[in-house]
Amino acid sequence: EDQVTQSPEALRLQEGESSSLNCSYTVSGLRGLFWYRQDPGKGPEFLFTLYSAGEEKEKERLKATLTKKESFLHITAPKPEDSATYLCAVRKSNYQLIWGAGTKLIIKP
Amino acid sequence: NAGVTQTPKFQVLKTGQSMTLQCAQDMNHEYMSWYRQDPGMGLRLIHYSVGAGITDQGEVPNGYNVSRSTTEDFPLRLLSAAPSQTSVYFCASSYAGERETQYFGPGTRLLVL
Repeated sequence: EDQVTQSPEALRLQEGESSSLNCSYTVSGLRGLFWYRQDPGKGPEFLFTLYSAGEEKEKERLKATLTKKESFLHITAPKPEDSATYLCAVRKSNYQLIWGAGTKLIIKP
Repeated sequence: NAGVTQTPKFQVLKTGQSMTLQCAQDMNHEYMSWYRQDPGMGLRLIHYSVGAGITDQGEVPNGYNVSRSTTEDFPLRLLSAAPSQTSVYFCASSYAGERETQYFGPGTRLLVL
């Protein structure tokens, strides 16, 4: 069964404390993995697309990496404004997206 | 550009009532979709459209109808509301060739009593 699992469910960090979020997947016919950020009361906002194992993308304090079974979203020296829920989604060969439940990230000043 | 807009922001319905959730985009995107988001679960696709006059079912279409008469608008109709349809509903749009870069609306929070 196609599945996308994100861990941990929630992560609390001190400002400046680097860490990683995980997105593992079991999907046949992978056609891309996507990271979105969702602020409370708002819709998800696109961050990155990764297509092949070994690929990396960076944006400010965020770096996304991809292997054959999982993706990591590394956050370096986070700030309180990085607090949000981070969603991972995988696209199948039929263009359907399978979404993970998200990781709620809280950065304390 | 306003992007993707949704109305209403919040709605309370009684079981059996019907209503329409509105979605509009001003980016001339061909692809539009409706998702529901429930606690502890990933976004689930309800219906989608690849252009005016063309719609198709997603993962959880039962109890919902859609139509796409214009490129800009993609309303979602609840035929007879049930408590299981209590959720947050998001509309999204993108260019047909870039479905991963979807632009989401702010959501409609629906409570069915």
